Amino acid sequence: AQSVAQPEDQVNVAEGNPLTVKCTYSVSGNPYLFWYVQYPNRGLQFLLKYITGDNLVKGSYGFEAEFNKSQTSFHLKKPSALVSDSALYFCAVRDSRRTGGGNKLTFGTGTQLKVEL
Amino acid sequence: DGGITQSPKYLFRKEGQNVTLSCEQNLNHDAMYWYRQDPGQGLRLIYYSQIVNDFQKGDIAEGYSVSREKKESFPLTVTSAQKNPTAFYLCASSPGTGALSGNTIYFGEGSWLTVV
Repeated sequence: AQSVAQPEDQVNVAEGNPLTVKCTYSVSGNPYLFWYVQYPNRGLQFLLKYITGDNLVKGSYGFEAEFNKSQTSFHLKKPSALVSDSALYFCAVRDSRRTGGGNKLTFGTGTQLKVEL
Repeated sequence: DGGITQSPKYLFRKEGQNVTLSCEQNLNHDAMYWYRQDPGQGLRLIYYSQIVNDFQKGDIAEGYSVSREKKESFPLTVTSAQKNPTAFYLCASSPGTGALSGNTIYFGEGSWLTVV
């Protein structure tokens, strides 16, 4: 089975400070890992993904994430937070060994990021 | 513009009624999905379709039905058998669903369904 955990329901950070949103996963094979952002009453927007290769992945809006296989983590980071980054962030995983069943992602429960002036 | 269009944005259902949520995509994606979002529970997969005229149950299919008669369309019907249908429903699509696929799933803007 594949699963993903986002241990923090909410993260608060001051504008201009670095931010980290945590994600850990569990799969039997190698993971495909994704981050999405959701603004109120909107759909999910894709930020970035890790499939293979470089452990540091860069994505949209200045976000990046680091894949750490030994810690089974894929934390989302940004060097300098903006008030406009305030939103709900979802981590998702798919087991690369999963055969059949389509491209089914398992999502975390989400982390609310609040960036304050 | 290319994308995924869901309609209506807000829908109200009376007890015992069936309602249908529309989802259309012009991205030429093979696969389409329906997710349900409840506060604090993340997203849960209802149904997915990898190809026209074929679809599979997800994790919470009971009380829902779908069809995939055209590549670009994947409507979801919430039947009266779904006892707790009030939620935010998200349609999504991706280029393919191969076993080794790391293809990105893209989402529509969502539809709110409320039982009155």
